Amino acid sequence: AQSVTQLDSHVSVSEGTPVLLRCNYSSSYSPSLFWYVQHPNKGLQLLLKYTSAATLVKGINGFEAEFKKSETSFHLTKPSAHMSDAAEYFCVVSDDRSSNTGKLIFGQGTTLQVKP
Amino acid sequence: NAGVTQTPKFQVLKTGQSMTLQCAQDMNHNSMYWYRQDPGMGLRLIYYSASEGTTDKGEVPNGYNVSRLNKREFSLRLESAAPSQTSVYFCATQGTGGLPGEQFFGPGTRLTVL
Repeated sequence: AQSVTQLDSHVSVSEGTPVLLRCNYSSSYSPSLFWYVQHPNKGLQLLLKYTSAATLVKGINGFEAEFKKSETSFHLTKPSAHMSDAAEYFCVVSDDRSSNTGKLIFGQGTTLQVKP
Repeated sequence: NAGVTQTPKFQVLKTGQSMTLQCAQDMNHNSMYWYRQDPGMGLRLIYYSASEGTTDKGEVPNGYNVSRLNKREFSLRLESAAPSQTSVYFCATQGTGGLPGEQFFGPGTRLTVL
């Protein structure tokens, strides 16, 4: 069975400093992995996705994530945090990479706080 | 092009009352999903519908029923609300043309059961 673990429930950074949100996954095969972002009182929005085409994935708003099979990790990074990045971030794995009806399995979420 | 819409945005119920949460999409997607979001638990799948006329249970289906009325609409019903169902409910869709697992979410319904 697939699962994801987000290693930090809360991360606080200063504006202009790097962001690192950590995610480990468990999967019996090469998974499809995603990061979703949820701004306060909003729905979720896809930030980026890994499909095995490239291990370094670029997303919206300057975020990147690197798939590391040997470490079973898919950490989210951004070189310089902006106040607008304050949100909750979810690492997600799809339980079926071949199907468009596959279900998503969510991590517990990491709240990113950005201090001025 | 509204994407995924949900009604109502907020609702307060008393224990034992019933209600239906509505979800509609104009994205022509086949698959639709209902999730609940609770603090520290991420999103958990309640029910999903792979296509019009089919529905299946997710991780936490107890206390809920769903109806896939047509391709556009997928409703979630609480027959007898309980305080444990206080949560934020999200509807999502997934199309055949995109990447498996790429889902599009509505803005959510915040439900409180007293």
